Amino acid sequence: GQNIDQPTEMTATEGAIVQINCTYQTSGFNGLFWYQQHAGEAPTFLSYNVLDGLEEKGRFSSFLSRSKGYSYLLLKELQMKDSASYLCAVRPYTGRRALTFGSGTRLQVQP
Amino acid sequence: DSGVTQTPKHLITATGQRVTLRCSPRSGDLSVYWYQQSLDQGLQFLIQYYNGEERAKGNILERFSAQQFPDLHSELNLSSLELGDSALYFCASSALQGTDSPLHFGNGTRLTVT
Repeated sequence: GQNIDQPTEMTATEGAIVQINCTYQTSGFNGLFWYQQHAGEAPTFLSYNVLDGLEEKGRFSSFLSRSKGYSYLLLKELQMKDSASYLCAVRPYTGRRALTFGSGTRLQVQP
Repeated sequence: DSGVTQTPKHLITATGQRVTLRCSPRSGDLSVYWYQQSLDQGLQFLIQYYNGEERAKGNILERFSAQQFPDLHSELNLSSLELGDSALYFCASSALQGTDSPLHFGNGTRLTVT
């Protein structure tokens, strides 16, 4: 089976740093993706991890530990426009390219 | 703009009816994926097509069907609609090569069944 867990909601302050965690248990693993989704809009790709460690992309970084089935998305210098849902998704195994998504974490950035 | 086009943006219909959602993938992408997103729920994978052939199936109901045409656009057909089918339906496409290639999503079709 496949199970991906994320906190449902988080609140943070403009200018601060927030970490959104994701744990997964899947039948096979071939990469973990983070997406951002504003309400009613399309999910947009943020980052990809397949090896253990940290991937940095501007204000956003993503970390993966395959042995622990754990990832996090780190958002720095938060801006009001970062208020959105953040979706963790796993590509379960080679040969299946469809992603399995968690339910998402709704982040509210306050002034 | 992801390059994935979905029409229509909104659809309102009655229970028992049938609708067709349309998707054009990004230029050069051969794979098309359909996802359903109900209120307060995550994205649920429905079905994938690659170059005209069904490649993988997820939680797709028997009342739903899809196809991909030679020009690579895809249609998702939903029949005998129920109130619970009200949701956002997203289409995504991806490049063939590389397991690191992400899915690129269209803006979705919001279906309301009354």
